[in-house]
Amino acid sequence: ETGVTQSPTHLIKTRGQQVTLRCSSQSGHNTVSWYQQALGQGPQFIFQYYREEENGRGNFPPRFSGLQFPNYSSELNVNALELDDSALYLCASSLSDELSFGPQHFGDGTRLSIL
Amino acid sequence: DAKTTQPTSMDCAEGRAANLPCNHSTISGNEYVYWYRQIHSQGPQYIIHGLKNNETNEMASLIITEDRKSSTLILPHATLRDTAVYYCIVTPRERDDKIIFGKGTRLHILP
Repeated sequence: ETGVTQSPTHLIKTRGQQVTLRCSSQSGHNTVSWYQQALGQGPQFIFQYYREEENGRGNFPPRFSGLQFPNYSSELNVNALELDDSALYLCASSLSDELSFGPQHFGDGTRLSIL
Repeated sequence: DAKTTQPTSMDCAEGRAANLPCNHSTISGNEYVYWYRQIHSQGPQYIIHGLKNNETNEMASLIITEDRKSSTLILPHATLRDTAVYYCIVTPRERDDKIIFGKGTRLHILP
């Protein structure tokens, strides 16, 4: 069973740039969630995708957007990068049905640094 | 805000049982208790979850009080590899629920 993989592992960008982070779900999982984790803090929920549609969103501005593909992999896009966007971005996949989702399985994240 | 309260840090001797408490006094009847841990430089790892009965798996045991207002995660024989931040989360598992992580408990296993 292949776990959740994220790419790249590290990335450096400058303010105002745009970035795309990628996530491959664990085999058999159909739901992907994205989190932002600042240093010393717990992960903060950004949004979740189920069947290629956004299925819930945390308190993040519209410049954070995402996609889920038919193979359940996902992308997180962030436009107009700000210094405060520097963080570890985590992707988690789970198996969901129409009513509920199962335990989330996380990748090891992408460390994004904004200069 | 997180719906749970956990101690900031705890120590446990290697080989002993580590008992991590979590308060969730406002838990609703349809909310589950989940535990995850995050080892340094890795993503969080699912440990266990439960609704009202005690649960056990190969990693840990989860004890939920009868009134469901608190729970304890038990690592029966702690090893140095169990040093991590442990997060207690309550969620109804409904697909539009926003999972909220608090700051967790930093568990140090002492040799």
